[in-house]
Formats: sequence, structure tokens, C-alpha cells
Amino acid sequence: DIVMSQSPDSLAVSLGERATINCKSSQSVLYSSNNKNYLAWYQQKPGQPPKLLVYWASTRESGVPDRFSGSGSGTDFTLTISSLQAADVAIYYCQQYFTTLRTFGQGTKVEIK
Amino acid sequence: EVQLLESGGGLVQPGGSLRLSCAASGFTFSTYAMSWVRQAPGKGLQWVSVISATDNTYYADSVRGRFTISRDNSKNTLFLQMNSLRAEDTAVYYCATDISVGSGGYFDSWGQGTLVTVSS
Repeated sequence: DIVMSQSPDSLAVSLGERATINCKSSQSVLYSSNNKNYLAWYQQKPGQPPKLLVYWASTRESGVPDRFSGSGSGTDFTLTISSLQAADVAIYYCQQYFTTLRTFGQGTKVEIK
Repeated sequence: EVQLLESGGGLVQPGGSLRLSCAASGFTFSTYAMSWVRQAPGKGLQWVSVISATDNTYYADSVRGRFTISRDNSKNTLFLQMNSLRAEDTAVYYCATDISVGSGGYFDSWGQGTLVTVSS
């Protein structure tokens, strides 16, 4: 199984400041034949289901604000919120889809400082 | 607009069974792979099972042999039959459209979830 580890577990950022969430996979999720990273990011607000933000590590889902961006390759990935808004308070999860057994990180809680 | 509506959750005793349903609308259900993902109270997300558009099925190790995923394309409905339930199966169960690529897939639409509680 590919184990996904996120850091930090939680962070508090001032409104308008940058938030950075890291995700590390226990093995590479880069498929060499197409040079794509099989990595997605989700946002989950309290009492709501998760929402897809990013797939292929850096492709933003339609309708997702451009302050959200994904980067990284191989085993190390980052989700960046360039200017934190109150609406961004949530738990964020990474997920690998390199293998049939899809696995998630443990989540990172983002709060306002 | 994609809509996924889960039902069938509830309280069940350990060792019991439950069948979850997910009614889909707003897209061509028969052409999509579908997954179940669960979330224990206060915990993170765990993928449970996927069924492809051609009815291939896969399961997480923790549920294989106890849970069965199926679909009825004539009714645009996804199912999860859960047998031999354990306390650790207690969770909100979400159905999701599974954008399958290669062996895996990511989830681009989610239902609101249905709560399954396994307790005596």
C-alpha cells in the first residue's frame, strides 16, 4: 500500500497570508510513460463532503479559485493557498490514485490566526 | 448538475448486515466508475470499494470478503452490501464518481453521506 503523510497536522494563518500544506507518498506516484503524477487534493468543510480541488498534482478543478495551486512530483507534493480567505477554513486531504488501493493522507486542518 | 444521494444507513449490531444505496442523477451513470469512501467520526477519509463501468470490482483489505459493491444502471443506483459488520465499520459512507485512470482513480463528485453505526 502507498502511505500518504501530510504535514503539518494543522496550521493557523492570518487572512491574506499564504498557507502551505505538504504531502509525501511512501513511493513515487509519477507514471513514467505519461509523466503524470497520480495525486489529488480535496477540501472538506465541517459537516460537508469533500470537494475536489486539484488532480494530476497541479490541474485545478473547474470552478476552484486560482489562489489554490498544487505542485510537486514523484513523492513530494504541496498545496498552496496564496491568500487565505475565511471561506478556506477546512481540512485538506491529499490522495494518490497510482494504485487500485486509493489512499488518503491523514488531513491538514487550516484555521485563521 | 451531478447529484448523488445516499441512503440505507443506521444503527446495526455487531455481526449484522446493512445495504447502502446511492441514487445518481445529472450524468450518464452507466459510463462512470463509482466508489464508496468512508469517514469514521472525527477521522480521515478511507476508500472502501470501486466498481468500474464494466462491473469490475475492487475492495480495501479491511472490507474484502464482507462487503459487496454493485450497480443497477437501469435505475442509476449504486449499492454497498455490508455483512459481518464490526464496530470499526462505524462511519459516514460517501458515494463518489470515480475518475478511473490506469489502476486508480480520483473522486470528482460526492454525495452528502449516510451514517452507519455498529454498536450493541
